[in-house]
Amino acid sequence: QSALTQPPSASGSPGQSVTISCTGTSSDVGSYYYVSWYQQYPGKAPKLMIYEVSKRPSGVPDRFSGSKSGNTASLTVSGLQAEDEADYYCSSYAGSNNLRVFGGGTKLTVL
Amino acid sequence: EVQLVESGGGLVQPGRSLRLSCAASGFTFDDYAMHWVRQAPGKGLEWVSGISWNSGSIGYADSVKGRFTIFRDNAKNFLDLQMNSLRAEDTALYYCARYSGYDLWGNYFDSWGQGTLVTVSS
Repeated sequence: QSALTQPPSASGSPGQSVTISCTGTSSDVGSYYYVSWYQQYPGKAPKLMIYEVSKRPSGVPDRFSGSKSGNTASLTVSGLQAEDEADYYCSSYAGSNNLRVFGGGTKLTVL
Repeated sequence: EVQLVESGGGLVQPGRSLRLSCAASGFTFDDYAMHWVRQAPGKGLEWVSGISWNSGSIGYADSVKGRFTIFRDNAKNFLDLQMNSLRAEDTALYYCARYSGYDLWGNYFDSWGQGTLVTVSS
């Protein structure tokens, strides 16, 4: 069960857009539309931000969007705000044997 | 309101056992699959184990397979994780997480507890 690959850090100024990538394989991201993204503040539990590649749960601002191409999924945060500064993790369904896999996480800094 | 409250963490010596529990409330427990996800200090999230609504489907990460066992009691709304032969690398904050569906296929984690800390050290 190899972890999905995310950049360790990303940054942008308030109002800008930033995209975080999540690269897997044909056994996980490439095969299923069950990619989700989680936001985590220090010392807090993760929070669901995107599910099924591009869907937003109720209450998540539409500044957050998701997409997928081949084995790589992406999370885009538009109109960056200070409160968006957090760690972001992607996760994918990986089949009946391996079930779930997470990315290593990306620390988003709002400059 | 969905509530997931983990308990049972603590300091344990390598090779010993520990049992974690997650008390669920605010939703119909047996409508959902449940999982354990852990996070080592300063590290990322790692999926540990999952169990379907009726315990008919269970899965484990390779790193814990054969050592950890997941259980659920739908009558009491509890999710447990029995951890045996603990290793230093099992040291982590263990989260209980609700899956969005009743089975282990697809889906996503839509609610999380606050976690219980397990420290494996002599």
